[in-house]
Amino acid sequence: EAGVTQFPSHSVIEKGQTVTLRCDPISGHDNLYWYRRVMGKEIKFLLHFVKESKQDESGMPNNRFLAERTGGTYSTLKVQPAELEDSGVYFCASSQDRGWETQYFGPGTRLLVL
Amino acid sequence: AQSVTQPDIHITVSEGASLELRCNYSYGATPYLFWYVQSPGQGLQLLLKYFSGDTLVQGIKGFEAEFKRSQSSFNLRKPSVHWSDAAEYFCACSGGYQKVTFGIGTKLQVIP
Repeated sequence: EAGVTQFPSHSVIEKGQTVTLRCDPISGHDNLYWYRRVMGKEIKFLLHFVKESKQDESGMPNNRFLAERTGGTYSTLKVQPAELEDSGVYFCASSQDRGWETQYFGPGTRLLVL
Repeated sequence: AQSVTQPDIHITVSEGASLELRCNYSYGATPYLFWYVQSPGQGLQLLLKYFSGDTLVQGIKGFEAEFKRSQSSFNLRKPSVHWSDAAEYFCACSGGYQKVTFGIGTKLQVIP
């Protein structure tokens, strides 16, 4: 069974540009989460999908971030326009409906905004 | 708001020595508690979790953790460290609403 995959693994963009990160959860997992780790800081929760619905988006930093999960499968996280402080590692995780507490994490996307 | 503190950013131990990574949490009730490990280039892997019951929890790779309510702690231990244990370890908690709060992480270096 494939784990959580994320694309790209690395992205370097200039301030003001747009970047879209993708996450493919484990097949059958209804729950999908996005987290972010800024260098030297804690991993912070961004948002949580249940299927295609946003269950909790309290961690989204501002309206430059847009997350979608059309069809309840993969998810994208778009940053537009990107700012320097958006640099960090973006993790995606997924879990089953029952057994939500075991969240399976992807390897992360390392975003650098110059 | 819940929070997790990992007081040690870096720890170095000799291979074969015992290990204890400290974790303190702040939450109004008993939270769900987790330890994750991240090896270079990998995602976070769940080592163990505590929800209720026996306060000594066994995990994968020979790790265990003990929940101490009086100290608001959930320290991770391993009796004998292997070189492959070198990684970054994260303590985390959740109030049951699926949003997980992480500590800052502890980087473990293992020397021969």
